[in-house]
Amino acid sequence: GQQLNQSPQSMFIQEGEDVSMNCTSSSIFNTWLWYKQDPGEGPVLLIALYKAGELTSNGRLTAQFGITRKDSFLNISASIPSDVGIYFCAGQTNYGGSQGNLIFGKGTKLSVKP
Amino acid sequence: DGGITQSPKYLFRKEGQNVTLSCEQNLNHDAMYWYRQDPGQGLRLIYYSQIVNDFQKGDIAEGYSVSREKKESFPLTVTSAQKNPTAFYLCASSTSDRRYTFGSGTRLTVV
Repeated sequence: GQQLNQSPQSMFIQEGEDVSMNCTSSSIFNTWLWYKQDPGEGPVLLIALYKAGELTSNGRLTAQFGITRKDSFLNISASIPSDVGIYFCAGQTNYGGSQGNLIFGKGTKLSVKP
Repeated sequence: DGGITQSPKYLFRKEGQNVTLSCEQNLNHDAMYWYRQDPGQGLRLIYYSQIVNDFQKGDIAEGYSVSREKKESFPLTVTSAQKNPTAFYLCASSTSDRRYTFGSGTRLTVV
């Protein structure tokens, strides 16, 4: 199946730091979504993006739909301890036999710096 | 409140047994999905259904079966043909906007 390249795979945060992660693909996407998963729970939708160039915020989170439609970015400002978890990007495309279903990145794991 | 419910939260299976994971939603969503999550693997699609009485194989359907007799329900059976079933299983539903709503997951362990 199609792949989304999500990076970084993991990162350590110190409270108050800004965090950035991104997803890229070789295919064009119509929709980008960002989810957060806490341990032992299902992912929860953070931000949905539907137009190229769109920039959307949800509190301290800001996400952008790349202008080429092949990438998306998520920024977290002034991180706090409850930001730890796994963040997934997901994209929807009508190409490559995906039947319009979401394709998920492998996740970025945020942990607290020891 | 509308939502999607998975049960049980934890499930133990003996070698050679079939087990069924439940997924129920009251969001009136047409589409439902099953994903498998292994550490470092992200979410892999097992089966999906876009309408009642119809479902399609995902990327890793071997050893699994589903049914969609009602709009609200999409149970997943892990059969004895699935050689490595220990994983975290997630069910999701959506409308055409593809904003998936996930359940809280079922952790299946082979004993």
